[in-house]
Amino acid sequence: QSALTQPASVSGSPGQSITISCTGASSDVGSYKFVSWYQQHPGKAPKLMIFEVTRRPSGVSDRFSGSKSGNTASLTISGLQAEDEADYYCCSYAGGSTPYVFGTGTKVTVL
Amino acid sequence: EVQLVESGGGLVQPGGSLRLSCAASGFTFSSFWMHWVRQAPGKGLVCVSRINPDGTNTPYADSVKGRFTISRDNAKNTLYLQMNSLRAEDTAVYYCATVHSGSFHFDNWGQGTLVTVSS
Repeated sequence: QSALTQPASVSGSPGQSITISCTGASSDVGSYKFVSWYQQHPGKAPKLMIFEVTRRPSGVSDRFSGSKSGNTASLTISGLQAEDEADYYCCSYAGGSTPYVFGTGTKVTVL
Repeated sequence: EVQLVESGGGLVQPGGSLRLSCAASGFTFSSFWMHWVRQAPGKGLVCVSRINPDGTNTPYADSVKGRFTISRDNAKNTLYLQMNSLRAEDTAVYYCATVHSGSFHFDNWGQGTLVTVSS
């Protein structure tokens, strides 16, 4: 399995919206609705932000939303805030014995 | 509240061994698949291994196959990762994480434990 492709960095000003893409293949992102997104602040563990492409866990701000089209999933952060500055990773179920593949990660900078 | 607490990391020489532990609480440990995910310094997340509830199904990433062994003690609510023949490229923070039954995402993570392989 190859890592899913994400842009290395995305930036935006407070209040703006940004979108992070996550490109996989027909064997992972394109085949399953099981795409999840994780936020990771420096030195901290990842935190689940989106699961099953569009669903938010309890407690996650509705400023975070997910979508998918074909082999590409996306995470949109609206109303960007300073606390959103972190690394973000996508993950897709891909079947098989080791079924989870992560993205390469995107550093979000709030200008 | 779900808690996952890893321990056992440290500095080890190439070719050496370490055993990581992950103490779980706040959920029915014996009912869920458990995972080890690692993150090399400045790099992304990579799945290392996972184990089914009764410990009979233990697939591994190709990079660690034959060197790492995952196991669990359901009576002690603890997950393990025995790491042998360690290499410099195994240097990483190792996280344990849960994927609840019927779901396909990592909903709980430990704080991680750092393994450094260096002479």
